[in-house]
Amino acid sequence: GAVVSQHPSWVICKSGTSVKIECRSLDFQATTMFWYRQFPKQSLMLMATSNEGSKATYEQGVEKDKFLINHASLTLSTLTVTSAHPEDSSFYICSAWGSAAYEQYFGPGTRLTVT
Amino acid sequence: RKEVEQDPGPFNVPEGATVAFNCTYSNSASQSFFWYRQDCRKEPKLLMSVYSSGNEDGRFTAQLNRASQYISLLIRDSKLSDSATYLCVVNMDSSYKLIFGSGTRLLVRP
Repeated sequence: GAVVSQHPSWVICKSGTSVKIECRSLDFQATTMFWYRQFPKQSLMLMATSNEGSKATYEQGVEKDKFLINHASLTLSTLTVTSAHPEDSSFYICSAWGSAAYEQYFGPGTRLTVT
Repeated sequence: RKEVEQDPGPFNVPEGATVAFNCTYSNSASQSFFWYRQDCRKEPKLLMSVYSSGNEDGRFTAQLNRASQYISLLIRDSKLSDSATYLCVVNMDSSYKLIFGSGTRLLVRP
C-alpha cells in the first residue's frame, strides 16, 4: 500500500526555538496533505490542509504564522513550529491523499516535546 | 456539540467476546464514513469504510444509519490483538478533510 513517512519521529527542543517536520509520500504523488495534532488522550485535530503549489488552508483557531506549512512538491510537505512553547508539545501527524489513492494514508507521526 | 461523538470507554472484555461501538455525527450532509484503529503512540490506520448497506470484513461489521446519523462497529470473537482505540471518522465534503471522533478504547483480556 501507499506509504507516507515523517521525519523526525521525535524531537526535543528548547522553548523559543523552531522545529521543522517533514512529511513525504514515498510511492505516490500527493496533491493534498493534511496536518493533524493529537494531545494525550484526545483525538486527532486537523490543523491545516496543504495543497501543492498554493497556500495552506488553516482550521479555525490555528495560527498560520506560528505553524508554517510549505508544500513545494507533490511528495513533500513541511510543518515548521516557530518559537515553540511547552504547550506546543504534542503528537503531529500528517496524511496524504493522492489522486490515485482511495484512502487517506497517515505518516507515523512526530512527537514534539518542548522544554 | 461535537461533530463526531463516541463513548470513550474503556470497554474491558474477555477474549472471544462480542463488543459494539457506537458513534453519532452532527452534519447530515456528511458523505463518507470510516472506522480507524489507533494503537498507543502510533498513527491511525484504516480499519474499514462504512457503507449505507452495511459491510463486513471478517470479524468486523460496520453499519450506517443516515436517518439517525449513527454509525456502529461490531467486533466478534475478540482477540487480544484487538486492544486499541477505535476512531469514528467522517468526511464532510469532497475536500477529503476527515473529522475524527475522540475514540473508544478497547481492552481485551485473556
